[in-house]
Amino acid sequence: AQKITQTQPGMFVQEKEAVTLDCTYDTSDPSYGLFWYKQPSSGEMIFLIYQGSYDQQNATEGRYSLNFQKARKSANLVISASQLGDSAMYFCAMREASGGSNYKLTFGKGTLLTVNP
Amino acid sequence: EPEVTQTPSHQVTQMGQEVILRCVPISNHLYFYWYRQILGQKVEFLVSFYNNEISEKSEIFDDQFSVERPDGSNFTLKIRSTKLEDSAMYFCASSRGGVGEKLFFGSGTQLSVL
Repeated sequence: AQKITQTQPGMFVQEKEAVTLDCTYDTSDPSYGLFWYKQPSSGEMIFLIYQGSYDQQNATEGRYSLNFQKARKSANLVISASQLGDSAMYFCAMREASGGSNYKLTFGKGTLLTVNP
Repeated sequence: EPEVTQTPSHQVTQMGQEVILRCVPISNHLYFYWYRQILGQKVEFLVSFYNNEISEKSEIFDDQFSVERPDGSNFTLKIRSTKLEDSAMYFCASSRGGVGEKLFFGSGTQLSVL
């Protein structure tokens, strides 16, 4: 079974509008972390936001917020006031504590966001 | 902010040749990783390295692949006999320990096998 599922291969949004990118995850580990990374066309992986499984509040970082619904195992990324520079691939990823001496990140397939002027 | 450095940014090689991809992780990090991304596809885990040994490897990381941390600063990925399907972007990453620590990624090496 896939650990991270991103069901939207592509999304379009108008500049200045908000957009939600979906992510669901699968784990039996009570301790885990959820991450979002942005990959622009230049290829680098840029960390955006982190949510811990024990965090009571949804994470926010500037225009990025994470809609964390633990019972549904979802961690959707919300981008407010979209900008043209937000056009990129967005990856949801998870790190599980049971990874022990590993702590690897497992990625979803990504969502390609296009912001229209 | 500290950076993970990867060299070269592009590598072109002939099928069957050996390649070494180099990485300098962030100096106080303890966990090191290689990932690869075939064009337009997901980021795939290859191997993790901790305490001078491999802690986990994926099914992609077969006998043709090896990693080394020869001198306490560099972290290398070697592919002994490259295949066409090894063509991909290879990312090195590092982090401190703990489930909440983000991975810092290098800018990648684009490997093209001809």
